[in-house]
Amino acid sequence: EIVLTQSPDTLSLSPGERATLSCRASLSLTSTYLAWYQQKPGQAPRLLIYSASSRAIGIPDRFRGSGSGTDFTLTISRLEPEDFAVYYCQHYGGTPQVTFGQGTRLEIK
Amino acid sequence: QVQLQESGPGLVKPSQTLSLTCTVSGGSVNSGGYLWTWIRQHPGQGLEWIGHIYYDGTTHYNMSLKSRVTISLDKSKNQFSLRLASVTAADTAIYYCARAVWTSGWFDPWGQGTLVTVSS
Repeated sequence: EIVLTQSPDTLSLSPGERATLSCRASLSLTSTYLAWYQQKPGQAPRLLIYSASSRAIGIPDRFRGSGSGTDFTLTISRLEPEDFAVYYCQHYGGTPQVTFGQGTRLEIK
Repeated sequence: QVQLQESGPGLVKPSQTLSLTCTVSGGSVNSGGYLWTWIRQHPGQGLEWIGHIYYDGTTHYNMSLKSRVTISLDKSKNQFSLRLASVTAADTAIYYCARAVWTSGWFDPWGQGTLVTVSS
């Protein structure tokens, strides 16, 4: 079973700064099956990035996904106040089984 | 635009069966290419995939829940449902329904979620 480990658990930054969130897999992944979500308090998660690097419809271009193999990154180039939230990576694997990372909380410094 | 909406009891007694329904609008559960999915989130914690169903009735479940979970389709009502048997307090969570693309497994859209509390 693939385990996704996100780091850091919490990231404290100011609006306008750049955020780099990591998702590391216990086994090499096919990028097609790696996605990122944003969740704000009291809301359902929202798809940001699919296939590791493709932005979902309506997602601003300050959000960028990258990576391959076991290391994937979500970068937010210039933080807006509405970007402070919890971010999850997710993998769809064989059998099939679905795995989520534990999440990274992005908070205002 | 596809929308999903969960419904069902917000309170279930221990040892009983949790039953939730997801109503789909703007799309059909009978169309191929999608996995109709249940995901839960324990209070203040991360996301846990429960399982999914394909339009032909094929199901796959989280191995840790497989013995207690049933997901089914009602094509006439354009709904899919979750049943989780023998619940305990550990099953208290927000339950989300979502649609996944079957070829790549990413979830979009999601329902708003419904809190189910297991308590006597």
